[in-house]
Amino acid sequence: TQLLEQSPQFLSIQEGENLTVYCNSSSVFSSLQWYRQEPGEGPVLLVTVVTGGEVKKLKRLTFQFGDARKDSSLHITAAQPGDTGLYLCAGARTSYDKVIFGPGTSLSVIP
Amino acid sequence: EAGVVQSPRYKIIEKKQPVAFWCNPISGHNTLYWYLQNLGQGPELLIRYENEEAVDDSQLPKDRFSAERLKGVDSTLKIQPAELGDSAVYLCASSIGANTQYFGPGTRLTVL
Repeated sequence: TQLLEQSPQFLSIQEGENLTVYCNSSSVFSSLQWYRQEPGEGPVLLVTVVTGGEVKKLKRLTFQFGDARKDSSLHITAAQPGDTGLYLCAGARTSYDKVIFGPGTSLSVIP
Repeated sequence: EAGVVQSPRYKIIEKKQPVAFWCNPISGHNTLYWYLQNLGQGPELLIRYENEEAVDDSQLPKDRFSAERLKGVDSTLKIQPAELGDSAVYLCASSIGANTQYFGPGTRLTVL
């Protein structure tokens, strides 16, 4: 059983479309992180959210941490082919716990 | 500044053979992690070092896997003997304490 669930597992969209991917858990996390991983590379950190209800924006990417700190979403506006990759959420239940990764959402943006 | 360096990038071996992966973390990063990533999955922690001490190796299959971080800098992860199910990407990451982890490109292992 995955501690962190991500949906959808796969997503293929046309350039210019908007999309949202989700990260859910039955556990409370002290912080959640979102990473993007391109083929043949390691994950790269996009953002860390630590406060329930927190919203962070990174250009066309909007990240939200749920009020109960059990879930998070990533919204991409006007997707571009360069957004293609595996989006991983990861969390730590306390500041001393190891970071646990979800299975990821594989995004493909078609030109 | 150089990122996390891993070698080799790819390795193909036959089952029952030994294999070793090497990681050079970012300079000054005292914490080093080895992860295993199966296709379509997120990374799973194998072992975490604080300097030269392994502080979390609970997920490391100790019957066949071993790791070392002599002098608290470079690290080596070894599998002996390799099994078919060990085929995966082995990622190394480093950080300063519990702060942001920076990942290397990984070593893709194929066991035939």
